Amino acid sequence: DIQMTQSPFSLSASVGDRVTITCRANQGISNSLAWYQQKPGKAPKLLLFGASRLESGVPSRISGTGSGTEFTLTISSLQPEDCATYYCQQYYSTPGFGQGTKVEIK
Amino acid sequence: VQLVESGGGVVQPGRSLRVSCAASGFSFRSYGMHWVRQAPGKGLEWVALISYDGTKKYYGDSVKGRFTISRDNAKNTVYLEMNSLKTEDTAVYYCAKDPVGGVVVATWFDKWGQGTLVTVSS
Repeated sequence: DIQMTQSPFSLSASVGDRVTITCRANQGISNSLAWYQQKPGKAPKLLLFGASRLESGVPSRISGTGSGTEFTLTISSLQPEDCATYYCQQYYSTPGFGQGTKVEIK
Repeated sequence: VQLVESGGGVVQPGRSLRVSCAASGFSFRSYGMHWVRQAPGKGLEWVALISYDGTKKYYGDSVKGRFTISRDNAKNTVYLEMNSLKTEDTAVYYCAKDPVGGVVVATWFDKWGQGTLVTVSS
């Protein structure tokens, strides 16, 4: 099984800060990675697929990079509405998720 | 796109339950459909996939042999029949749309329903 590990577990940042979340796979997954945002009590929402392809309607302050085993999600200027838990998901094989990163406003 | 789950509730260990997901706003018969679950306070776990035409079905290891996914394209609905339920099956069950036909399991999820809570408890 492919294991996905996210870091940090949680973070607190100020409005306008640049925020980066890392997702690592225990084996190479090419660019077969998606990112989701989940707000409390709500369903996850797709942000990116193919590691860097922005889903329609997602603000351009959100971006993704990476290939192989290491990936990053970056929010260039944190906004209050970005408070959520973010999950990475590999689809190189049977879908598997990271454990999530909770983003809070300081 | 709208996905609306229903059928969740409280069920005793060892019993069965069927949850449903009614889809609208897209050509349902052209897309694969998934179930993904989330235990209370925990992360996401993929459960099952059915291809657009229902001929291909895939399951996660933790539910294989106990859960069955099916679909009715005339009713725009996907189902998850859960048998021999265990306490560890307690979760919110989300249906999610595949971005393409769902003939391969290695894929992502482009739309999600709001979820239905299944609680397995005596």
